[in-house]
Order: sequence, then C-alpha cells, then structure tokens
Amino acid sequence: AQTVTQSQPEMSVQEAETVTLSCTYDTSESDYYLFWYKQPPSRQMILVIRQEAYKQQNATENRFSVNFQKAAKSFSLKISDSQLGDAAMYFCAYTEYGNKLVFGAGTILRVKS
Amino acid sequence: EAGVVQSPRYKIIEKKQPVAFWCNPISGHNTLYWYRQNLGQGPELLIRYENEEAVDDSQLPKDRFSAERLKGVDSTLKIQPAELGDSAVYLCASSSILMTGESYEQYFGPGTRLTVT
Repeated sequence: AQTVTQSQPEMSVQEAETVTLSCTYDTSESDYYLFWYKQPPSRQMILVIRQEAYKQQNATENRFSVNFQKAAKSFSLKISDSQLGDAAMYFCAYTEYGNKLVFGAGTILRVKS
Repeated sequence: EAGVVQSPRYKIIEKKQPVAFWCNPISGHNTLYWYRQNLGQGPELLIRYENEEAVDDSQLPKDRFSAERLKGVDSTLKIQPAELGDSAVYLCASSSILMTGESYEQYFGPGTRLTVT
C-alpha cells in the first residue's frame, strides 16, 4: 500500500523568509500524481501545487515550488516570501489516476510577524 | 463556479444516535469522495463514487456507516448508531477528468465537524 510521510509536525518561519516542508512517499508505481494541500482553521482543503510523476521539471506556482526527486521518492514544498496568510496545516498527498488521495499526517506552519 | 457544498458545518449528537451528512459536488463532476479526518491527522477515504456507483467502499465501516448518491449528483453519508470514536471532520470532495484533464485534482468542501458525546 502507498504511504506518505511528513516528518515535520510543526514548522515556523519569519514573515518574508523562505521555508521548506518535507514529504516522502512509498510506491511501486511509476505513474502517479503528487499534491500539496493547505488547510486553514476554516477546514477548507485548498490545492497549493501539483506534480505529475512523469514530468522531470519541478512545478511552480507563484511563491510556491516543489523539489521532486522521483528516485528518492521525495516531494518537498518551498514557500518563498512567506506571508501571514500562509499559516495553516499543509498536507502532502499522493494519487494514482483519480483513485483515493493518500495523505500524510500534515505539518503545521506558523508564520511570525 | 460554485464549490463543493456540505451541510451541516457542525453537528453534536449523543452516542447511539443517528446522523447524516449531505454533499453537493461541483456541477459536472462525476467522481465524489467521502473522507474522514481525525484530529491532527490527514483525511482518509471512506468511499468513492463514479456517478451513482460506489467503486471503492473498502474503508467504509459497513456495520454502521452507509452512503448513497442517487442520480449521480448529491450524496448522503449516514452513521447509525454513532459511537464516541466517530468524532471527526467528514470531508466531501469531487473531481472530473473531463473538466480538469489528467490532473486528478480533487476539490474539497468545508467539511462537517461531528462531535459524539
């Protein structure tokens, strides 16, 4: 069974600084999709960024970028120029072709002003 | 575009009572998911529908949980009777490969926080 591991229960970053959240996963498949979701206290799960496993190029979305290392099964999220609104729980998730999302346990990100 | 709608947002019940949650997915999304999120953990799939067919209900505790998706649109998740361990957030999500392409992105509703006392 596929598993997703987030080893950082909590991270802190100073406003305007950069922070990296870690994620590793385990799968025997070669084709899959990886996501980072943000969940603020409102509980609404919001997609931050996605990565297709067949793509070599790392995905970027404005201040958010990933470091996808397929051989190492690693998928980290970098947030640049952190803002107070980035404070939330961040989940790494894995899926194969629209089946269930397998989530990690999450990392709480705190942003200090 | 309207997002995934869920109701109620909060529900407090006593153990052994029944409870139901409702979800309206994004218009045109044929795939619907119910997840359960325990405190401090990531969501876990309970059931997945393709149109009106439940294609993955392997994690649904069928002795007390039931779900339906009549006409392949709205869905209801029911627990009867509820137990203390059922306290969690119940999230509904929807997706459509026809509308989002092969990104397999799932769109989530705001969830229902259930407290069983």
